[in-house]
Amino acid sequence: GAGVSQSPRYKVAKRGQDVALRCDPISGHVSLFWYQQALGQGPEFLTYFQNEAQLDKSGLPSDRFFAERPEGSVSTLKIQRTQQEDSAVYLCASSLSARGQFFGPGTRLTVL
Amino acid sequence: AQKVTQAQTEISVVEKEDVTLDCVYETRDTTYYLFWYKQPPSGELVFLIRRNSFDEQNEISGRYSWNFQKSTSSFNFTITASQVVDSAVYFCALSERVVQGAQKLVFGQGTRLTINP
Repeated sequence: GAGVSQSPRYKVAKRGQDVALRCDPISGHVSLFWYQQALGQGPEFLTYFQNEAQLDKSGLPSDRFFAERPEGSVSTLKIQRTQQEDSAVYLCASSLSARGQFFGPGTRLTVL
Repeated sequence: AQKVTQAQTEISVVEKEDVTLDCVYETRDTTYYLFWYKQPPSGELVFLIRRNSFDEQNEISGRYSWNFQKSTSSFNFTITASQVVDSAVYFCALSERVVQGAQKLVFGQGTRLTINP
């Protein structure tokens, strides 16, 4: 597709469940970012990939959060043992250079 | 540390009015980029503009204009003759260099703009 796609668009999980969020970046984009956007807030950086290498994971809030991009294209953000404070919109962005990041529609995660 | 402040939480104007969204940033970098994104109710962040720290020339794109002033660390956004379709949350963002040339974004809290008919 022409843009960044994310799935699922909405996810409801019971507290303690594991979830996996998928991101399909724009074809050819080397850089991939994950951000977390809490309600009424701006997005906050979680982690960054350059191709398949995870070069920065300083924004991941706990060791329950794990991201991978094994073949340098599709990426998955996994959250283990979800907690209510994990409820947020998770945004994926890809870029070819510092010129700008292009965002997907996000996955809205609600943890009950 | 990098920081972006959007002091206006919400703005409401009547259609056709001009409106300015303020953005103030803090950075120790000498080279950086500033961005504005629009987030309509659908949720997707839409890229509006990128500005290099070395280029202080103001920019106009249709009804949109941007005023970058390095001396006051501000990058304000003006919509002229606002329309209902401009209603959205607008985010200002600052790039922060991560390893190997990539730039992660530091966002402000956003300004919710409502244009009333």
